[in-house]
Amino acid sequence: GIQVEQSPPDLILQEGANSTLRCNFSDSVNNLQWFHQNPWGQLINLFYIPSGTKQNGRLSATTVATERYSLLYISSSQTTDSGVYFCAVPSSGGSYIPTFGRGTSLIVHP
Amino acid sequence: NAGVTQTPKFRILKIGQSMTLQCAQDMNHNYMYWYRQDPGMGLKLIYYSVGAGITDKGEVPNGYNVSRSTTEYFPLRLELAAPSQTSVYFCASSPGNSNQPQHFGDGTRLSIL
Repeated sequence: GIQVEQSPPDLILQEGANSTLRCNFSDSVNNLQWFHQNPWGQLINLFYIPSGTKQNGRLSATTVATERYSLLYISSSQTTDSGVYFCAVPSSGGSYIPTFGRGTSLIVHP
Repeated sequence: NAGVTQTPKFRILKIGQSMTLQCAQDMNHNYMYWYRQDPGMGLKLIYYSVGAGITDKGEVPNGYNVSRSTTEYFPLRLELAAPSQTSVYFCASSPGNSNQPQHFGDGTRLSIL
């Protein structure tokens, strides 16, 4: 099946700093999702982004499907950005069954 | 709008006991999923369903069973609980179209002692 690798595994920032999280995948995909798991364990969908760039406030995401990677940008980080960020892609072909990466754990200090 | 609702939120079981984790969605989504998340790990797919009456195994189905008699409900059954099944369980749903994201419940934290 498709392999999903996220980097870095851990990230510690001071409030106000910017960061870039990366998601690499081993096969072509027709959709990609970014999720944030907050410290209470809730999973929140941030972006559905099979290609191109999307922005939502201080967060933006870019997927370059031809090169099999996606980037999540966090600008002016806040303590509430802490948590784990996952990307998920279809497990095979055109399926709608997502496979998740292992995540990037982000801690933002005040 | 309730979205995806999971019950219970927490549960402690003894080895060998059985239980059913409940999941309901009110968005009329065709696809539903069960994942487990072990500490420091990503989500692993246990079972999924593409519609009422249709279920299929995911990556880690052993020790679990599911049923999908209606669009709204997708319960997960543990028949003989084992310590290895201690985990956080998430239910999710999606329309099934490639351009629509998944929606997750808040999870069930299960400990087996």
